[in-house]
Amino acid sequence: DAGVIQSPRHEVTEMGQEVTLRCKPISGHDYLFWYRQTMMRGLELLIYFNNNVPIDDSGMPEDRFSAKMPNASFSTLKIQPSEPRDSAVYFCASSRPAGELFFGEGSRLTVL
Amino acid sequence: SQQGEEDPQALSIQEGENATMNCSYKTSINNLQWYRQNSGRGLVHLILIRSNEREKHSGRLRVTLDTSKKSSSLLITASRAADTASYFCATSQAGTALIFGKGTTLSVSS
Repeated sequence: DAGVIQSPRHEVTEMGQEVTLRCKPISGHDYLFWYRQTMMRGLELLIYFNNNVPIDDSGMPEDRFSAKMPNASFSTLKIQPSEPRDSAVYFCASSRPAGELFFGEGSRLTVL
Repeated sequence: SQQGEEDPQALSIQEGENATMNCSYKTSINNLQWYRQNSGRGLVHLILIRSNEREKHSGRLRVTLDTSKKSSSLLITASRAADTASYFCATSQAGTALIFGKGTTLSVSS
């Protein structure tokens, strides 16, 4: 298997623009997670899905953030409108129930 | 919010030495996991220890868990330059996702 695939790897955008990050989990994994990593706050859980259903989105910072999982092989994290404080590395990870997480290589977002 | 907190924040050692990193957490857990992150890369799972286990080994890694003290340690023996990375502990409770600490940055010089 190719592992968890994230795109884009790098995104530079201007404040106010819409940003869409994409993730393809490992086939057969029931769980999909979105994390955000910054120097100040470390690795924060934003939201996770089980069988395409959002289970816990309490980590989503505010209404500007939304995440979807329309099918078992694809998820998106959208920020609209983006702000400079959203600059971070966004990781997608997938797993089997109670299993280890497999992370993608991350999407580094810079909002100017 | 962080559940696990690693200590120390940074550790510098010479090749061949052992490296010990500690993790403390606040509430009861189902399991505790350790992950490694090389600079600019995603996290990679190292080892999982369940709440009813006290010690686990994997190659040069040794993990201990003390649920009475709510703490865990990761020992890397005979370290190599390639072990240079950040190491994170992560905990989960029943039905919840993994929550990560801020990590220990290990630097191994040759």
